Amino acid sequence: KQEVTQIPAALSVPEGENLVLNCSFTDSAIYNLQWFRQDPGKGLTSLLLIQSSQREQTSGRLNASLDKSSGRSTLYIAASQPGDSATYLCAVMGPSNTGKLIFGQGTTLQVKP
Amino acid sequence: NAGVMQNPRHLVRRRGQEARLRCSPMKGHSHVYWYRQLPEEGLKFMVYLQKENIIDESGMPKERFSAEFPKEGPSILRIQQVVRGDSAAYFCASSQESDYEQYFGPGTRLTVT
Repeated sequence: KQEVTQIPAALSVPEGENLVLNCSFTDSAIYNLQWFRQDPGKGLTSLLLIQSSQREQTSGRLNASLDKSSGRSTLYIAASQPGDSATYLCAVMGPSNTGKLIFGQGTTLQVKP
Repeated sequence: NAGVMQNPRHLVRRRGQEARLRCSPMKGHSHVYWYRQLPEEGLKFMVYLQKENIIDESGMPKERFSAEFPKEGPSILRIQQVVRGDSAAYFCASSQESDYEQYFGPGTRLTVT
């Protein structure tokens, strides 16, 4: 049974820092992995989708990497801003194209001005 | 292109009543997913539907819960005889294909009194 873990559960950093959020999954046979952002009381915003054949994806100040063999993904946020404060969720699909996402518990990020 | 729409955004029901949650996918999306976020818990998959078909309902409670995605109109998640434990945020997502990015709606927050 696939399990997704995100560490740390919470993180507080000063504005301008580069930071890394971690996601690990127990079954390396995934189809893809998606990172989301959730603001309090709101829905999820898709940030990046990495297919199992890819090693990384980039969007603006965000870079997500995937190492299937070790069951890990990282989300790198460059030059953090107070507006980046949110909960970041990682979710995996697989091993086949099932449409079903399995989510981690999330990392709640606070960026202090 | 409007995003995924859910209504109502907030729903209050008394124990024993029925709750009907609606989801309109993004234009061009024919795959719909429902997830539930219980207080202090992560997002859990409930059901995956295509038009007029339930593809995967492995996350649906066996009783009182049902979902449909008719040929015309929104997808409906129906909870009969609600109990306090059903209080949660219910999110709908849609995608063009099952392995594409899932886009989430703002959620319906159900409170059972």
